[in-house]
Amino acid sequence: DADVTQTPRNRITKTGKRIMLECSQTKGHDRMYWYRQDPGLGLRLIYYSFDVKDINKGEISDGYSVSRQAQAKFSLSLESAIPNQTALYFCATSDYGSSYGYTFGSGTRLTVV
Amino acid sequence: TQLLEQSPQFLSIQEGENLTVYCNSSSVFSSLQWYRQEPGEGPVLLVTVVTGGEVKKLKRLTFQFGDARKDSSLHITAAQPGDTGLYLCAGPIFSGSARQLTFGSGTQLTVLP
Repeated sequence: DADVTQTPRNRITKTGKRIMLECSQTKGHDRMYWYRQDPGLGLRLIYYSFDVKDINKGEISDGYSVSRQAQAKFSLSLESAIPNQTALYFCATSDYGSSYGYTFGSGTRLTVV
Repeated sequence: TQLLEQSPQFLSIQEGENLTVYCNSSSVFSSLQWYRQEPGEGPVLLVTVVTGGEVKKLKRLTFQFGDARKDSSLHITAAQPGDTGLYLCAGPIFSGSARQLTFGSGTQLTVLP
């Protein structure tokens, strides 16, 4: 099993629909992140959580919400999807420490039509 | 405006050639990381450099951290088709006491057989 699992892998949804992207990890890390990737813009942080009771907005949180259901689970919701939220979404985890890298999931490709 | 600027944005070379890609910033970073992302997958950590002037080698890949810790380079010797991918640099930034990673927009490398 992958260390970080994202579901679904691909999703097409209509404008205005609510959609949830799920992420679970087996790394035992406290820190979890949601990023969005667009061509030419790299990875941009949407939300992050350093433990179950800690949720923080990233640079592009508008239109998104998150829930940290357990140490291992972190879900991202689009309350009312719009076409410019079409992107590749990645969940990542990390341990504490400046030298520790992130472990990413395989991503969810979301298309809003 | 991104804190980390990567160049070139795209690079296409023949198998066996050498190449260097760059990651530059006007800010000082305590460390920088390099990731490689293959199509349909999330980024995978290659290396972390933490000391100004540090050089790390990973088989045919050589990573260097600038003396002033504002830039880094990745040199690939005798590139192979398996090196094809998106190369991302990332560095830690702090929001209050919270540490997060900021990413460059990446260099898309294609190695032709």
